[in-house]
Amino acid sequence: IAGITQAPTSQILAAGRRMTLRCTQDMRHNAMYWYRQDLGLGLRLIHYSNTAGTTGKGEVPDGYSVSRANTDDFPLTLASAVPSQTSVYFCASSPQHQETQYFGPGTRLLVL
Amino acid sequence: GQNIDQPTEMTATEGAIVQINCTYQTSGFNGLFWYQQHAGEAPTFLSYNVLDGLEEKGRFSSFLSRSKGYRYLLLKELQMKDSASYLCAVMDSNYQLIWGAGTKLIIKP
Repeated sequence: IAGITQAPTSQILAAGRRMTLRCTQDMRHNAMYWYRQDLGLGLRLIHYSNTAGTTGKGEVPDGYSVSRANTDDFPLTLASAVPSQTSVYFCASSPQHQETQYFGPGTRLLVL
Repeated sequence: GQNIDQPTEMTATEGAIVQINCTYQTSGFNGLFWYQQHAGEAPTFLSYNVLDGLEEKGRFSSFLSRSKGYRYLLLKELQMKDSASYLCAVMDSNYQLIWGAGTKLIIKP
């Protein structure tokens, strides 16, 4: 693989279900991010990780959790999905947290 | 609060020049980024300005003058493939990116 991959590409989920969105990068970037993108709004940061073993909350963290056990992987978990979490989710990474971010292809999530 | 403002939509003709402006109110400034996003795809990095001046990459240029309040992306010799959304983002004092909603650029033959 090269760059950032995300899985699944798209998902329809029943409200109340638990879901983990996967993100993997092979660029050895230290920093990783999760955003959601909704129509008419800018990208909003959910959670971030400046380096393996550390995570932080972004602008809209409620209902989401992340972990960063190693450099390459940064999964995002919805503990109990709600319809307002219907969105397109993008994972991104950067060499260091203050540098240019590069995006994965996104996951389109529909919560019914 | 922090916010980024850019036009919602712009229309231009193939072969022409278009300028997309971006204004911001953020806590601190550590650079301004431009990304291109085609429909249904991920944002891709175009340019970065932190000091006043012009950054040129082929047909695309980004200009920043903080003292004069100019911040824009300039696209020359427009091609149909340039039809996309252009996202402006500012890195704030915490080195987090604050994103605009994007400018949808429509290119007509």
